[in-house]
Amino acid sequence: DSGVTQTPKHLITATGQRVTLRCSPRSGDLSVYWYQQSLDQGLQFLIHYYNGEERAKGNILERFSAQQFPDLHSELNLSSLELGDSALYFCASSVEVHARPYNEQFFGPGTRLTVL
Amino acid sequence: AQSVTQLGSHVSVSEGALVLLRCNYSSSVPPYLFWYVQYPNQGLQLLLKYTTGATLVKGINGFEAEFKKSETSFHLTKPSAHMSDAAEYFCAVSYSGGSNYKLTFGKGTLLTVNP
Repeated sequence: DSGVTQTPKHLITATGQRVTLRCSPRSGDLSVYWYQQSLDQGLQFLIHYYNGEERAKGNILERFSAQQFPDLHSELNLSSLELGDSALYFCASSVEVHARPYNEQFFGPGTRLTVL
Repeated sequence: AQSVTQLGSHVSVSEGALVLLRCNYSSSVPPYLFWYVQYPNQGLQLLLKYTTGATLVKGINGFEAEFKKSETSFHLTKPSAHMSDAAEYFCAVSYSGGSNYKLTFGKGTLLTVNP
């Protein structure tokens, strides 16, 4: 158990719908990263939040957005869903004290999204 | 830009045999390198990481990796495979710059261990 929790574990929805994925980082971790894992694209970085502020965006579609709340949990919002959005979505958290880049990222168990 | 290439999407070994999973990276700045393991229906778990210092890094479950700058490689090895090692392994790179420490992953190598 990494200490990172993600809900829901599975999500099945239809094209055109909107869903919200939730992530609670490990206690004390200020950084939350979101990754998408799909068969064709592999594991790809989506977005990074640090202590409530967006730090960087990766290959994140405009239909997707995220935020990190004052209690440090994060939500990834996916809208106008398409079949190709079906994937495993992971969040990871890290401490990042003194902006060390090599602090380990701890991964949650993921949310499996199926778009029908 | 960073990138990671894992040679071999599928590696099959016999129980007790040497495990060698290959990873080559491309980075314009000094990299930080990681190996993660993913068991079926689970998240990623860190096996080991290279940041600075000793180039031979030991991780959990008997795995180790050697950073070779001249070859831009960070291959993962284990002397004797166990059935429980069957999983997918991902090599990843991060770097010491900016304020975003995202991981860039390779495509992964599925390790099968035969009895």
